[in-house]
Amino acid sequence: DTGVSQNPRHKITKRGQNVTFRCDPISEHNRLYWYRQTLGQGPEFLTYFQNEAQLEKSRLLSDRFSAERPKGSFSTLEIQRTEQGDSAMYLCASSQEQTQYFGPGTRLLVL
Amino acid sequence: GEDVEQSLFLSVREGDSSVINCTYTDSSSTYLYWYKQEPGAGLQLLTYIFSNMDMKQDQRLTVLLNKKDKHLSLRIADTQTGDSAIYFCALQLGLDSSYKLIFGSGTRLLVRP
Repeated sequence: DTGVSQNPRHKITKRGQNVTFRCDPISEHNRLYWYRQTLGQGPEFLTYFQNEAQLEKSRLLSDRFSAERPKGSFSTLEIQRTEQGDSAMYLCASSQEQTQYFGPGTRLLVL
Repeated sequence: GEDVEQSLFLSVREGDSSVINCTYTDSSSTYLYWYKQEPGAGLQLLTYIFSNMDMKQDQRLTVLLNKKDKHLSLRIADTQTGDSAIYFCALQLGLDSSYKLIFGSGTRLLVRP
């Protein structure tokens, strides 16, 4: 049984660069979530997909952020023109019913 | 909006019981969760409770829910050093909110040998 996987696990980038993260959910899960976790805080909701449809986006998701789930399987989260304030752990979760299972996260550091 | 509060830190001796507490403001949540996070890792689902239940036991874990006081607790029996981690309480909102989770800031549990 494979859980949720995320790549890369770590990313260091310079301010102003673009970065893209990938999430592979548990195979039969049709719901996919992205959360952001900053140091010392709990995760905060960013966006939600049901199959390939993006049904909700948080106000935290500025215009520089875009997420896709083109075939209803894996998802990507892109951040354009990164800022130091984007440094955080980006977590992906998937679910079939109500319980969400999380991946290991991608830790982003913007210098 | 919804708010979830947890105490920041708990230290216990190995073999003792740990009790981690959580209070919340939203009363419409149908499921409430406890997740565990070890350093540098993602969140591991520990257990959850449906809102019409008062208690749920799962091996060393006992979850108590007091809906009147909006208080949730996680008791870990016979706490081990491997239980040292950050524990997050989370509320699940309904379909009109995409079933998203609202997390507390986490309680850091330190188990002393």
